[in-house]
Amino acid sequence: EVRLVESGGGLVQPGGSLRLSCVGSGFDFSFYGLNWVRQAPGKGLEWLSFISDRGDTIHYADSVKGRFTVSRDNAGNSLFLHLSGLRVDDTANYYCARTSSWHYVDNWGLGAQVTVSS
Amino acid sequence: DIQMTQSPSTLSASVGDSVTITCRASGDIGAWVAWHQQKPGEAPNLLIYKVSLLKSGVPSRFSGSKSGTEFTLTISGLQPDDFATYYCQQYDTYPLTFGGGTKVEIK
Repeated sequence: EVRLVESGGGLVQPGGSLRLSCVGSGFDFSFYGLNWVRQAPGKGLEWLSFISDRGDTIHYADSVKGRFTVSRDNAGNSLFLHLSGLRVDDTANYYCARTSSWHYVDNWGLGAQVTVSS
Repeated sequence: DIQMTQSPSTLSASVGDSVTITCRASGDIGAWVAWHQQKPGEAPNLLIYKVSLLKSGVPSRFSGSKSGTEFTLTISGLQPDDFATYYCQQYDTYPLTFGGGTKVEIK
């Protein structure tokens, strides 16, 4: 069974930083691209970032480009998202999501809540 | 960027009804559309990919279709477990984009 488990969420002040982690199991982690997707309270899904299986291709949404950095450690079956320059409107549940070989999201993590507030 | 315009935003229906949700893409995305279901307090789950292919384990009452740049999710014979929010997603190009969601409520 494919499992993706996020951690590292919490309460942070505006302008602060945070690092989210996502550990994958039940599949060959190094063979899949991965995404970060967030959902603000009561809102829809917003794609944030993609990293390819080897980490050599990366994409970001304009809303987070220059502030968020995605990376991965295939040896540790881990995906990361470093969030900096956080704003109140970055408050959301952050999901890691596996990408199929055809690039659709085929599995979702449980999510990690990030709250940006003073 | 490709915009996905999803309608309606809310839909009220009864168990046994058939319902249709539509997404219109702002450009040509071929057949690269997926549909995800999200229940309250839970993560989304993939239902359909490449317009009409069901993920393993998804009931056959779910179906998808395409006409030009308009994509449709149909649920034939709503079951109590189907009351949820549904999102379309295009994966033709980055940035990946989602529709705004359709909440299917009990009438």
